[in-house]
Amino acid sequence: DGGITQSPKYLFRKEGQNVTLSCEQNLNHDAMYWYRQDPGQGLRLIYYSQIVNDFQKGDIAEGYSVSREKKESFPLTVTSAQKNPTAFYLCASSPDQGGAYNEQFFGPGTRLTVL
Amino acid sequence: GDSVTQMEGPVTLSEEAFLTINCTYTATGYPSLFWYVQYPGEGLQLLLKATKADDKGSNKGFEATYRKETTSFHLEKGSVQVSDSAVYFCALSSNGGGSNYKLTFGKGTLLTVNP
Repeated sequence: DGGITQSPKYLFRKEGQNVTLSCEQNLNHDAMYWYRQDPGQGLRLIYYSQIVNDFQKGDIAEGYSVSREKKESFPLTVTSAQKNPTAFYLCASSPDQGGAYNEQFFGPGTRLTVL
Repeated sequence: GDSVTQMEGPVTLSEEAFLTINCTYTATGYPSLFWYVQYPGEGLQLLLKATKADDKGSNKGFEATYRKETTSFHLEKGSVQVSDSAVYFCALSSNGGGSNYKLTFGKGTLLTVNP
């Protein structure tokens, strides 16, 4: 079955550590996205990539980094510079390079907790 | 910039009650509009969408009509079920005058349906 997988489902990090969240899709989608979800704040865009080897900052990119070396993979690294990283992280993809009519398909999410 | 405002929850209803969740938006140009649903501990799933004025999106008994004159996209269902309990997000897709389309989300409305 085609879809988006995120791993791990739960992740615990000590303060000062970098951690990488995995996102893989087998939908052959060009565009991929990372969102952060906090209670009562909806979803906020961290980074997005419309094509391999290219990505742009979203609304809250500080303290995060990404790479897009393969079409199907878009890992997110939460660095120690991110002051409040505890949140639910969602990865998404869409069929073309972010066209207006295309829905985004979401993965099941990773819940990151900083200890 | 683009924004989406949806009614704050939580909303608690009895089974078979009528549901309305209000959503209004501001955007540059002619956005596409979406409703997504998130069940506990999961990612988001597209519920319905509308791409131009007066379009009606519908799915699983839910409906929403794209009203350009009132910049609204209210979600309705005539008879809710316990299984409809979830968080509902209104979203728009717009290029903001540029070339890249992004989704802008409302903060979400938690719906609880009691038997």
